[in-house]
Amino acid sequence: GEDVEQSLFLSVREGDSSVINCTYTDSSSTYLYWYKQEPGAGLQLLTYIFSNMDMKQDQRLTVLLNKKDKHLSLRIADTQTGDSAIYFCAESIAGGSQGNLIFGKGTKLSVKP
Amino acid sequence: GAVVSQHPSRVICKSGTSVKIECRSLDFQATTMFWYRQFPKQSLMLMATSNEGSKATYEQGVEKDKFLINHASLTLSTLTVTSAHPEDSSFYICSATHWGGPNTEAFFGQGTRLTVV
Repeated sequence: GEDVEQSLFLSVREGDSSVINCTYTDSSSTYLYWYKQEPGAGLQLLTYIFSNMDMKQDQRLTVLLNKKDKHLSLRIADTQTGDSAIYFCAESIAGGSQGNLIFGKGTKLSVKP
Repeated sequence: GAVVSQHPSRVICKSGTSVKIECRSLDFQATTMFWYRQFPKQSLMLMATSNEGSKATYEQGVEKDKFLINHASLTLSTLTVTSAHPEDSSFYICSATHWGGPNTEAFFGQGTRLTVV
């Protein structure tokens, strides 16, 4: 079945760049997403990329997609302490709808001052 | 962005009792709502999909008689955990979307931490 894998932890210093990686298995995924979950809060959509793109930039966020290797990454430039959270990679399996998603286990990003 | 409110945020109940969790879309009509379950250090797992006015579609392995879902209006879906047991303790989170085709964004509630003692 479909599977999304990502590393569980990442620790960086404030001001550095963070790169969170994700691999997925379903080659028919049309959209791939990055969500942020802060303690006690719901998921917040950060950004998404359509499968026919290989890069998308949105302010401090850069998403890279290698469709051949089924590898997705999220780069956060100038990481701040407020970026500390769990980041989930997800793929859609229902024609692009964000409703039916397969999530990774989440990467906990810790930002040290 | 749109707001989805989930209530309660935390609930502790005794084993054998039932618990109802509400998911409301506050500023849009949610034709479809999704219920997820998240175990510690695990990913969110889709439990069921509910469309307004029709029966929910449950994922494989999810007991529909145990997790009752009602989506009676375009702004409210409820998940009732019946005869709860300690193994039902988990973080439950809903999302709501107004179906508009590909890339229609789903908005998530803040989640409900259920503890069954």
